[in-house]
Amino acid sequence: NAGVIQTPRHKVTGKGQEATLWCEPISGHSAVFWYRQTIVQGLEFLTYFRNQAPIDDSGMPKERFSAQMPNQSHSTLKIQSTQPQDSAVYLCASSLAGTGAETLYFGSGTRLTVL
Amino acid sequence: GDSVTQTEGLVTLTEGLPVMLNCTYQTIYSNPFLFWYVQHLNESPRLLLKSFTDNKRTEHQGFHATLHKSSSSFHLQKSSAQLSDSALYYCALSDLAGGYKVVFGSGTRLLVSP
Repeated sequence: NAGVIQTPRHKVTGKGQEATLWCEPISGHSAVFWYRQTIVQGLEFLTYFRNQAPIDDSGMPKERFSAQMPNQSHSTLKIQSTQPQDSAVYLCASSLAGTGAETLYFGSGTRLTVL
Repeated sequence: GDSVTQTEGLVTLTEGLPVMLNCTYQTIYSNPFLFWYVQHLNESPRLLLKSFTDNKRTEHQGFHATLHKSSSSFHLQKSSAQLSDSALYYCALSDLAGGYKVVFGSGTRLLVSP
């Protein structure tokens, strides 16, 4: 079991450019969560999918952030017109069914740096 | 909505002393699931322990916590800190009222010195 796979590990963009982050959940897991981690804010919830359907995107800055899960083996987080304040580690996690009692398994994260 | 509060941003201890990291939560739902995740340097968060049962002590890897619904608390404790316990600790909450999204507190960094 390879665990949750996130690519790329590091991404550097210029202000105003687009960034796409990829996540491959653990095989057989039907829930995928996205978080943003900064020293100041800690782990901020962004969005989550269950069985590929978006369940809650209340943490997403609506204007520039979007997430998709086109199939059960991957999810993407897209940030348009990146800003310096978007610099953070973006963590993807998966769980078996997303029904509350389960363990989240995190990927290694994508460190986004916006210059 | 659901929220988790960790009042200490940084806890510094000498090896061998007891550890207590505070966690309180808010939810309108009476049956929350509470978790502690630990993140060591250059690693991702991983589950340390979890609980759903009121007033029942849960233990793992020398740490323990008890969910107290009466006070909405789930404090993490250990009798004797080790150098290897130095890490970032997150308390987290999930429940039906929140659609089972997992909400994390702001984290407590524990630094254990010799």
